[in-house]
Amino acid sequence: DGGITQSPKYLFRKEGQNVTLSCEQNLNHDAMYWYRQDPGQGLRLIYYSQIVNDFQKGDIAEGYSVSREKKESFPLTVTSAQKNPTAFYLCASTLLRGPGQGDYGYTFGSGTRLTVV
Amino acid sequence: AQTVTQSQPEMSVQEAETVTLSCTYDTSESNYYLFWYKQPPSRQMILVIRQEAYKQQNATENRFSVNFQKAAKSFSLKISDSQLGDTAMYFCAFMRYNNNDMRFGAGTRLTVKP
Repeated sequence: DGGITQSPKYLFRKEGQNVTLSCEQNLNHDAMYWYRQDPGQGLRLIYYSQIVNDFQKGDIAEGYSVSREKKESFPLTVTSAQKNPTAFYLCASTLLRGPGQGDYGYTFGSGTRLTVV
Repeated sequence: AQTVTQSQPEMSVQEAETVTLSCTYDTSESNYYLFWYKQPPSRQMILVIRQEAYKQQNATENRFSVNFQKAAKSFSLKISDSQLGDTAMYFCAFMRYNNNDMRFGAGTRLTVKP
């Protein structure tokens, strides 16, 4: 079955460490996205990529970095510059479609819970 | 930038009754998509219903329907015959045609009571 896989499910980071969250999809989707979810807030966009070797900053990109070396993969690195990284991180993907072209919207992964210890 | 507002942080409804969740959005675009996503305690995001802005007919999916008022920039979700499994966070979301990055509201926590 096609889908989008995030790993690990839980991740613990010590102060000053960089950590990388994995996101892999086998849906042949063009675009991939990273969101952060904090309690009482909706999902906020960190980074997105619509094509291999290209990506764009979202609303809260500071302290994060990404790469898109393969269409299937879009890892997110939480760097030591991110001062408050404890949150739930969601990865999503979609086909890029115009109006009236049918199926649209995101497929989401199951998320990674990152905690600073 | 597009913003999505959900003015009801929490709501509750009795099982088998009907509830409506509100959503408004702000955009200068004329063509876009709107969504309602459900996030149960498992935290998996599940698509409930979606609407293309150029379609005047309101979308329906079984017990779920929307009231899309384009001029008022309003996109409410009606859940009929509420079930215990409908208990979840519900997020309204907006996506532009030419960009495909989605913006979310803060969510409404819905509790269905037996």
